[in-house]
Amino acid sequence: EAGVAQSPRYKIIEKRQSVAFWCNPISGHATLYWYQQILGQGPKLLIQFQNNGVVDDSQLPKDRFSAERLKGVDSTLKIQPAKLEDSAVYLCASSFTSDPNQPQHFGDGTRLSIL
Amino acid sequence: AQKITQTQPGMFVQEKEAVTLDCTYDTSDQSYGLFWYKQPSSGEMIFLIYQGSYDEQNATEGRYSLNFQKARKSANLVISASQLGDSAMYFCAMREPNFGNEKLTFGTGTRLTIIP
Repeated sequence: EAGVAQSPRYKIIEKRQSVAFWCNPISGHATLYWYQQILGQGPKLLIQFQNNGVVDDSQLPKDRFSAERLKGVDSTLKIQPAKLEDSAVYLCASSFTSDPNQPQHFGDGTRLSIL
Repeated sequence: AQKITQTQPGMFVQEKEAVTLDCTYDTSDQSYGLFWYKQPSSGEMIFLIYQGSYDEQNATEGRYSLNFQKARKSANLVISASQLGDSAMYFCAMREPNFGNEKLTFGTGTRLTIIP
């Protein structure tokens, strides 16, 4: 089974620029998550989708971050404008259902550096 | 307050030895789940093992086992017969109920280095 696909793998931008990340979850996985992992910390949930609806975006900085999953499959996460503190790895994960006992499967992440 | 605490920032272990990675958690819920993930230098998070709060037996998956002590609120990961490929960051995570919007809270991780 193909895993969670993310692109790009690395991105370097200057502050105040915009950037977008793409995620393709495991086929058939209805639940999709975006996490932010700052160096030296564990991942922090930004947003959770169930199919194409948002379940939890309480920790998403909505003044600059946005995410969508229009057809309930692929998802994009955008930052506009970027700040220095947005330098992090952005991880996408998916699970078959929102069953909390099911593990989430993660992609390789996008490493974002803000200059 | 920290919900997940991993007190060992780094550990060095000789190859073939067993290693225990510590994890304590804080919750007032009766129903919760605990997960361990491995993150190699390549960056992906690999699911290792899961323990539900109502599970009476400690979880095991191959060389991984979870030493679950509910009264002490600890869920330590034990890796038997460590291998060089076990060198990675290890994260403990807890799932708490949240009206159907359960989410994982991760600890800060432990960097494990296996010495040949």
